[in-house]
Amino acid sequence: DAGVIQSPRHEVTEMGQEVTLRCKPISGHDYLFWYRQTMMRGLELLIYFNNNVPIDDSGMPEDRFSAKMPNASFSNLKIQPSEPRDSAVYFCASSLVITGSGYGYTFGSGTRLTVV
Amino acid sequence: GQSLEQPSEVTAVEGAIVQINCTYQTSGFYGLSWYQQHDGGAPTFLSYNGLDGLEETGRFSSFLSRSDSYGYLLLQELQMKDSASYFCAVRDEGTPLVFGKGTRLSVIA
Repeated sequence: DAGVIQSPRHEVTEMGQEVTLRCKPISGHDYLFWYRQTMMRGLELLIYFNNNVPIDDSGMPEDRFSAKMPNASFSNLKIQPSEPRDSAVYFCASSLVITGSGYGYTFGSGTRLTVV
Repeated sequence: GQSLEQPSEVTAVEGAIVQINCTYQTSGFYGLSWYQQHDGGAPTFLSYNGLDGLEETGRFSSFLSRSDSYGYLLLQELQMKDSASYFCAVRDEGTPLVFGKGTRLSVIA
């Protein structure tokens, strides 16, 4: 397997624009997680899915953020409208189990988002 | 909720041993994990401790004491490529991993 694939790697957008981040998890992994990383707040969990169903989105900062997982091979995270404070690295991760045991969570390469 | 404390920075000499500590507070406890992240890279899984004691994987070992809510990552025979950030992470029942702020390890010659 090629691992967790995220696109784009870098995104620069203007404030107010819609941003869509994409993720392809590892085949067979039942869990998919979206994390955001900043210097100030570290790695924060935004939302996670189990078998394509959103389980907990309490980490999504505002209604401007939304995430979907229409099938087992794809998830996207949308920000509309984007704001400069959304600038961060967004990671998608997938796992067989939620515990973190075994092989742990596999992270994608991340999308570095800059909102100007 | 969960909270984790780990040192923000550690510096060690190539070939030496370094220990990165992690203390945590959770309402429940379901394992302590460690991840490594190089600058510009993604976090990668290093180890998981579900029970007390030491887990060894090559040059890396991880220890857990549930009674002390404490664990550490031990890196032996340090190499320059070990320079990275190291994150401890815990979880409550039914919740995903919550990560600490990370410890930046600098290995110097």
